[in-house]
Amino acid sequence: DTAVSQTPKYLVTQMGNDKSIKCEQNLGHDTMYWYKQDSKKFLKIMFSYNNKELIINETVPNRFSPKSPDKAHLNLHINSLELGDSAVYFCASSQGRVYRAGELFFGEGSRLTVL
Amino acid sequence: AQSVTQLDSQVPVFEEAPVELRCNYSSSVSVYLFWYVQYPNQGLQLLLKYLSGSTLVKGINGFEAEFNKSQTSFHLRKPSVHISDTAEYFCAVSPPGRGSYIPTFGRGTSLIVHP
Repeated sequence: DTAVSQTPKYLVTQMGNDKSIKCEQNLGHDTMYWYKQDSKKFLKIMFSYNNKELIINETVPNRFSPKSPDKAHLNLHINSLELGDSAVYFCASSQGRVYRAGELFFGEGSRLTVL
Repeated sequence: AQSVTQLDSQVPVFEEAPVELRCNYSSSVSVYLFWYVQYPNQGLQLLLKYLSGSTLVKGINGFEAEFNKSQTSFHLRKPSVHISDTAEYFCAVSPPGRGSYIPTFGRGTSLIVHP
């Protein structure tokens, strides 16, 4: 029973298309995140939601829009895909809006390839 | 703001040899420190964390790390590695206190264990 699950795991698409990645956690956590990992493995926080409220919104193009229908789900929609959007996108969750000593639980990642 | 430097991008080692992965951080306040491991095609999972107390922290899979405040380091060690330890290892730092502090990740160290 996967704790943090993302779909799809692989996504290959053309430039200019719109795509979504879905994330669900069954850990009962109230905070969820989206991270982007580039080809050099660098991890960059994109967004964080706490109980459906956006609490972190890093410098990310407006083409990226997160949506949290409830605290167990956090989806990522990307408009007008560009080559530079190719990366692995990780969803994560933690307990507590205030991330102090908690642990992040990561999904397996969604590898997006833009052609 | 805090930053994390992982001094080695790649560490090759033979099976059953000891290994040390280096991590240095900079922060104007006291911090919490973490090591995460990412196996191929998987998400990150927590290896160990330092919050306070004993500077020697033991984690899963036989790994341990030592917090050295004067040298601002948190190096990860294992006395005898296995082939299955081949993975990407990330050091992360998070300042304790109020507010939504997202951990800052280092750029990762690729541990390659040869038979």
